[in-house]
Parts: sequence; structure tokens; C-alpha cells
Amino acid sequence: GAVVSQHPSRVICKSGTSVKIECRSLDFQATTMFWYRQFPKQSLMLMATSNEGSKATYEQGVEKDKFLINHASLTLSTLTVTSAHPEDSSFYICSPGLAGVTEQFFGPGTRLTVL
Amino acid sequence: GQNIDQPTEMTATEGAIVQINCTYQTSGFNGLFWYQQHAGEAPTFLSYNVLDGLEEKGRFSSFLSRSKGYSYLLLKELQMKDSASYLCAVLYNQGGKLIFGQGTELSVKP
Repeated sequence: GAVVSQHPSRVICKSGTSVKIECRSLDFQATTMFWYRQFPKQSLMLMATSNEGSKATYEQGVEKDKFLINHASLTLSTLTVTSAHPEDSSFYICSPGLAGVTEQFFGPGTRLTVL
Repeated sequence: GQNIDQPTEMTATEGAIVQINCTYQTSGFNGLFWYQQHAGEAPTFLSYNVLDGLEEKGRFSSFLSRSKGYSYLLLKELQMKDSASYLCAVLYNQGGKLIFGQGTELSVKP
């Protein structure tokens, strides 16, 4: 199956700082990357869809100026949480959109804790 | 709408069989996935259904009825390691956008 990595796996930061999360596809090229977040005891919620070489599309209620997404290459997509606050503490997971593939792969996730 | 409903939690006994139901109301349906997720980890793929019927894979089976907007995941010969959250997700379009249910927390007791 497709191999997806995320870095960092865990990050703790102070309120007001920005945090960048990288998602890499290691053995394939992903023109589309989905970003999800998961709060404790809840399911995955789609935040945004990044497309290589174009602007990301955001789900309703997700602030595009707070969650900056960059998809500069076919193997790397980044999510930057700007001016993080404690309510942004969550598990962030990326998943490549692979046309014609019926098994959806996920990165291992990044646990963000904002103090 | 895209409401996807599944029970919040279930409990079963080791060695038994458990069925986790999922109902959905979504336009543009293009398939349904079941995932297993252990605490602190990313989801792992269990099954995919796009046509009506039963898909069997070892101890796990998944059923789909498109006309009823209904699916279930069947786990046989339950083991303690099967204690996890089980997520039902509907594929919204061919681009891979998944809408998830709230997940079912399964506890397997000895």
C-alpha cells in the first residue's frame, strides 16, 4: 500500500506560536491531499483539500487564514497552524487522494498540544 | 445531507460475534469504508463496499445496501486486540473525500 509519513509525530507549543506539519508521500505522487483533524473521543473531520500547484479548498467553518496549506510538490503537503490556541489541540492526519484507488491511506498523524 | 450514524459504543465477549451498524444519507455516494482505529493511532483500512452485498475478509465482513443507505461490519471470533474504535466513512466522490461517522468504541471483555 501507499506509504505516507508525517512530521512531527508530536508537538507541544505555547499559545500564539505557529506550528508546521509536513505530510510526505514516500512511494507515489499525490496531486491531492486531504487534511483531517480529530478531537478526543470524536471522529475524523475533514478540514481542507490541498491540490498540487493550486489553492486549497476548505470545509465550512475552517479558517483558511489560520490553517495554511501548501502543496508545492507531488510528494509534500504542509499544514501550518498559525497563532495556535489551546482549542487547536488535536490529532491532525493527512490522507492522499488517489484516483481509482479504493483503499484510502492515512499518515500516522500529528498530535498537537497547545499550552 | 451527509449524516452518517453509528452507535457510540458497544461491548462484546471474547470469542463472540459483534455487528456494528452504519446508516448514511448522502448524495454522490461512491463507496463505503470501514476503518479500525486504536487510541493515539491513525485509522487502518478494513474494508470497502461499493456494490450491494457482503465482502468477507478473514474474521471481518462488511455488508452494504445502497437502497437502504445501510452497512454493517461483522467481527467474528473476537479477540481482546479487537478493542478499538471502528469508523464508518462514505466516499463522497472519486477524488477520495471521505465523510466519517462518529465512530463506535468497541470493548472486548474476557
